[in-house]
Amino acid sequence: DGGITQSPKYLFRKEGQNVTLSCEQNLNHDAMYWYRQDPGQGLRLIYYSQIVNDFQKGDIAEGYSVSREKKESFPLTVTSAQKNPTAFYLCASSFDFIGRGSGKTQYFGPGTRLLVL
Amino acid sequence: AQSVTQPDIHITVSEGASLELRCNYSYGATPYLFWYVQSPGQGLQLLLKYFSGDTLVQGIKGFEAEFKRSQSSFNLRKPSVHWSDAAEYFCAAFTGNQFYFGTGTSLTVIP
Repeated sequence: DGGITQSPKYLFRKEGQNVTLSCEQNLNHDAMYWYRQDPGQGLRLIYYSQIVNDFQKGDIAEGYSVSREKKESFPLTVTSAQKNPTAFYLCASSFDFIGRGSGKTQYFGPGTRLLVL
Repeated sequence: AQSVTQPDIHITVSEGASLELRCNYSYGATPYLFWYVQSPGQGLQLLLKYFSGDTLVQGIKGFEAEFKRSQSSFNLRKPSVHWSDAAEYFCAAFTGNQFYFGTGTSLTVIP
């Protein structure tokens, strides 16, 4: 089955700890995205990657880092610099970023809920 | 500034009644438009999308949406709501190089 997987479903972070959220896709999509969802605020873009070995900051990148070493994978690290990390994190992918309209359609993973201990 | 607005935070409808969820966008040109649905604790599922052409688009689960350029709107509709439609609905727009999401409309369906 093709799709996007995120793990873990729930993640707990201690003070001062870095944690990494996994996102894998087997859709052969070039572009991948990370969003943060807070109640009543919709989705906010953290980072996006148009292609392997490239990524760009979104609207709220501070306290987060990413890598894109493989086309299939786009892990997100929540660093200790992120003072309010409790949220629902969603990963998405699209066929491309700057091509035809249909290629921009984003497909989402099931999400990871991050909680602070 | 470019944005997507969903004016209704929460809507309650009776099962079997019709539904319309509102979405307005702010952008000079016509963006690509999307509606997603999210069940509690889950990711977003694509309901339908509009890029160009026919302004009435059909989606999954019996949903449709109509693009109205004059009103900068892309409202989602369903003629008869089912209890399983209770969820959070998000409108989104792609404008040049970025996606913008509305803040969502929570739908409650009562028997």
